[in-house]
Amino acid sequence: ILNVEQSPQSLHVQEGDSTNFTCSFPSSNFYALHWYRWETAKSPEALFVMTLNGDEKKKGRISATLNTKEGYSYLYIKGSQPEDSATYLCASPPNAGGTSYGKLTFGQGTILTVHP
Amino acid sequence: DGGITQSPKYLFRKEGQNVTLSCEQNLNHDAMYWYRQDPGQGLRLIYYSQIVNDFQKGDIAEGYSVSREKKESFPLTVTSAQKNPTAFYLCASSVTMLEPLMNTEAFFGQGTRLTVV
Repeated sequence: ILNVEQSPQSLHVQEGDSTNFTCSFPSSNFYALHWYRWETAKSPEALFVMTLNGDEKKKGRISATLNTKEGYSYLYIKGSQPEDSATYLCASPPNAGGTSYGKLTFGQGTILTVHP
Repeated sequence: DGGITQSPKYLFRKEGQNVTLSCEQNLNHDAMYWYRQDPGQGLRLIYYSQIVNDFQKGDIAEGYSVSREKKESFPLTVTSAQKNPTAFYLCASSVTMLEPLMNTEAFFGQGTRLTVV
């Protein structure tokens, strides 16, 4: 993996369903993995910043896991609600040892729509 | 309140004109970033700066220029060389990435929508 990639591109679920999506990133020169939620007409807001392999973070019904050795992170939403509808972005800035130090690039995002 | 302020919210430009988008932060962050979003696409990095008086090209820097003369300010100029400048522009900032394991989450402004008329 050379760049940050997210899948699926979009997702439609029914209220109450649990869902998950994936962020893949370069495993070399790993520094951190960020997840953001971007609601319509608002600015992106950080959900999680993860730095340690095996790390798991949780905020309410949303949780995330991190595997830095294989270069992926999963975001889970349990019991989706219509207010969870948003674009979910991930980013993985490289560490100081890389040539792109400090470069905060994002994946294409996963657009989640939760239907009542 | 601490935050990032982008101005203006909407901007109209005639073809061939340069325009400058403002981004100011009072979070005492070292790092600042400019992104562009086009319909149906994600955020693409234009320029970034990790420290005052230093900045780097992102993935789509052609037709843009920046300056970082002050820690709190990172203005973006869209030049006439940018072939398709109509887009939504987002500015962000974060603490320095010089310190390992520091919480480096980015904070975003409200964005500027630029339209070429």
